[in-house]
Amino acid sequence: AQSVSQHNHHVILSEAASLELGCNYSYGGTVNLFWYVQYPGQHLQLLLKYFSGDPLVKGIKGFEAEFIKSKFSFNLRKPSVQWSDTAEYFCAVNSMNTGFQKLVFGTGTRLLVSP
Amino acid sequence: DVKVTQSSRYLVKRTGEKVFLECVQDMDHENMFWYRQDPGLGLRLIYFSYDVKMKEKGDIPEGYSVSREKKERFSLILESASTNQTSMYLCASSPQPGQGNSNQPQHFGDGTRLSIL
Repeated sequence: AQSVSQHNHHVILSEAASLELGCNYSYGGTVNLFWYVQYPGQHLQLLLKYFSGDPLVKGIKGFEAEFIKSKFSFNLRKPSVQWSDTAEYFCAVNSMNTGFQKLVFGTGTRLLVSP
Repeated sequence: DVKVTQSSRYLVKRTGEKVFLECVQDMDHENMFWYRQDPGLGLRLIYFSYDVKMKEKGDIPEGYSVSREKKERFSLILESASTNQTSMYLCASSPQPGQGNSNQPQHFGDGTRLSIL
């Protein structure tokens, strides 16, 4: 079955630390990749997306992600986190197999940044 | 900016009740989705619709049905609510790929936290 794996369920960092959240998917073929963020009490917001082209994509708030096709990975990174980055982060994938309509989400990673 | 509005932020219902969750989007999107979000399980797709009166089952449709009578509105129905349906329910919408809006992300509402007692 097609799936998305986020291996880190909870991450705790101090401010200014670097962040990398892992995301692996099991789809073959053409995929679109997304990272969403959910701040406490707020709706899911798109952080960044990859459709094609440069595998290093920049998103909002200093986040970036790198698509490595050979590893089926799309890890999220930020060089220096802030307390305001405390949130839950979801990786999501859609694919040609589903007509690019259905998103499959990972289980999420809760990030806590201590001041 | 895309606005996806869910009718209730919090809802408390009793076991066996018929429950309606409503979602409206204002961007003329073809696709609409219902997910439930549970700790440790992420978001799981219940149903989606790619056109008026069209619906497709997602990964966990059991115990749910949907209605899409108008393009902007997508309703989730719990025919006979059970305690295991206590969850956060999220609605989302997106344009159809290939209609000048290929590969657009989904936009989410604020969610409805539903408790079944």
